[in-house]
Amino acid sequence: AAGVIQSPRHLIKEKRETATLKCYPIPRHDTVYWYQQGPGQDPQFLISFYEKMQSDKGSIPDRFSAQQFSDYHSELNMSSLELGDSALYFCASSGPSDALGTETQYFGPGTRLLVL
Amino acid sequence: DQQVKQNSPSLSVQEGRISILNCDYTNSMFDYFLWYKKYPAEGPTFLISISSIKDKNEDGRFTVFLNKSAKHLSLHIVPSQPGDSAVYFCAASIQGAQKLVFGQGTRLTINP
Repeated sequence: AAGVIQSPRHLIKEKRETATLKCYPIPRHDTVYWYQQGPGQDPQFLISFYEKMQSDKGSIPDRFSAQQFSDYHSELNMSSLELGDSALYFCASSGPSDALGTETQYFGPGTRLLVL
Repeated sequence: DQQVKQNSPSLSVQEGRISILNCDYTNSMFDYFLWYKKYPAEGPTFLISISSIKDKNEDGRFTVFLNKSAKHLSLHIVPSQPGDSAVYFCAASIQGAQKLVFGQGTRLTINP
């Protein structure tokens, strides 16, 4: 079965540079989520999109922005990178709710960002 | 403020025996709970979930139990296999709010 695709898988940037992470959801999934996992930490929710509109926002820095496009893929744009932005960035997608109104999120392999 | 807590950072179990991973939560608004398995350098893999209207959900070797009054859930794996060695994350959400809140994870090691 098709899974969530993220690119690139690894990215090395210098401080103050910009980075763009891409996420391609599972076909027919309409919701995309972004999470950040720092070393030794649990994943922290950043932002989500449903049908190309922002649906929820977590602890996402103002230096970061994201959007979902008409083909449902999403991009996370990160500017003025700081050393503390080094982390694993996961994208997840979910499809229409089931009979109980629940949606299971399926995660991509992640992008490992290293800021030097 | 850790709303989802996995108090055991690690657990070691003999192959063939039962593995029990525990998770506690503080927010009574949570009504959907999930367990994910994670290998190094990979994304979390969905294992099993449970809605708050149930107290048990079973899928093959995996069973999740939910005790709403105690705000506690557990994942049982039986029999445990070497391939089960990974970090297990408990996660919770409020339907409609979408975002998942994760616990800190428990590293499970299955010994042959």
